[in-house]
Amino acid sequence: SQQGEEDPQALSIQEGENATMNCSYKTSINNLQWYRQNSGRGLVHLILIRSNEREKHSGRLRVTLDTSKKSSSLLITASRAADTASYFCATDANSGGSQGNLIFGKGTKLSVKP
Amino acid sequence: DTAVSQTPKYLVTQMGNDKSIKCEQNLGHDTMYWYKQDSKKFLKIMFSYNNKELIINETVPNRFSPKSPDKAHLNLHINSLELGDSAVYFCASSQGTISTGELFFGEGSRLTVL
Repeated sequence: SQQGEEDPQALSIQEGENATMNCSYKTSINNLQWYRQNSGRGLVHLILIRSNEREKHSGRLRVTLDTSKKSSSLLITASRAADTASYFCATDANSGGSQGNLIFGKGTKLSVKP
Repeated sequence: DTAVSQTPKYLVTQMGNDKSIKCEQNLGHDTMYWYKQDSKKFLKIMFSYNNKELIINETVPNRFSPKSPDKAHLNLHINSLELGDSAVYFCASSQGTISTGELFFGEGSRLTVL
């Protein structure tokens, strides 16, 4: 069963603007991760946030986690054309049938225009 | 010095054939995975091995058989290929279990069944 759901499905912005992607999930988790996938390539890990953390930064990336709302957001500041990719959230459920699995959402396709 | 490498990158075959995809990781990781990504970019776990032992086996037809000769290799063999098997198959690895950190993905193997 699918755990994470990204929103929006697609996002198109101009270079220099900020991009915000959201992820909602269903069951309680140990951690939530964000991955990037360039077209025709494998997924690359961006950031991991644990269930007891509320915010994490890595370069131009900022991730928030609200476990009461079962949601997370990924903010990319000062976007560049090279940020064009699909972004996936993935959750590590700590209970239920998905326990021990890393369950991916359907992704947000980000397009950054120069 | 690729971390997770899969071969072949592209595979085109006829229905009913048997094919294999190989995966090797040189990261010294204990756990390896196979994920399937469909045409809508939805990524779903198929199998997970920890130190050559099967630990996750999602609801996958038994035409799919993973084999792990050692902890650095996890191959995927598919018998009697069907049209619906067309997808991109990703191998991944992690140090320890999913809860401990990120997955490292290969570049994917695009399987097309005609």
